[in-house]
Amino acid sequence: EVQVLESGGGLVQPGNSLKLSCATSGFTFSTAWMYWYRQFPEKRLEWVARIKAKSNNYATDYTESVKGRFTISRDDSKSSIYLQMNNLKEEDTAIYYCAIYSAHWGQGVMVTVSS
Amino acid sequence: DIQMTQSPPSLSASLGDKVTITCQASQNINKYIAWYQQKPGKAPRQLIRYTSTLVSGTPSRFSGSGSGRDYSFSISNVESEDIASYYCLQYDNLPYTFGAGTKLELK
Repeated sequence: EVQVLESGGGLVQPGNSLKLSCATSGFTFSTAWMYWYRQFPEKRLEWVARIKAKSNNYATDYTESVKGRFTISRDDSKSSIYLQMNNLKEEDTAIYYCAIYSAHWGQGVMVTVSS
Repeated sequence: DIQMTQSPPSLSASLGDKVTITCQASQNINKYIAWYQQKPGKAPRQLIRYTSTLVSGTPSRFSGSGSGRDYSFSISNVESEDIASYYCLQYDNLPYTFGAGTKLELK
């Protein structure tokens, strides 16, 4: 059974940092392209970042609004991905979801950016 | 960015009805569209990928069709467990983009 579990969310002040983690199991992680999505309080969904597999040189892509602030990474030995979020803004407040090929999603983790 | 115009925003149906949701892309997305169901407090669940391929576990009353810019998603014989919000996602080009969602309610 495929499992996806995010962690690391919380309340942070604007300008601060947070690192999300996503632990997975039940599939061949090393060849999978992994994603972060988010859902804003008004329910709008947004793709955040993608990291490809080792065979694709772990290439990464980001939505424009997080470029230069967020970094997606992976550790194939732990079947996990991460999202380092720096210089957080109030508009980053959302539920963050980790996904495998955009198909299997975790339960999500809440990130609230507020002073 | 590709814009996904999803309609209607909300839908009221009786049990056993057939309902249809549409998504129109701002450009050809080459059938790279997926449909998701989301229930309150839960993560989106992918039901259909590549326009019409049912994901494992998706009941056969769900279906998808379309090409080019225009796509549709249908539920035949609506059941109570189908009450949820539904979203389309284009994954032809980055940034992947979602429709605004359709909330399905019971009449």
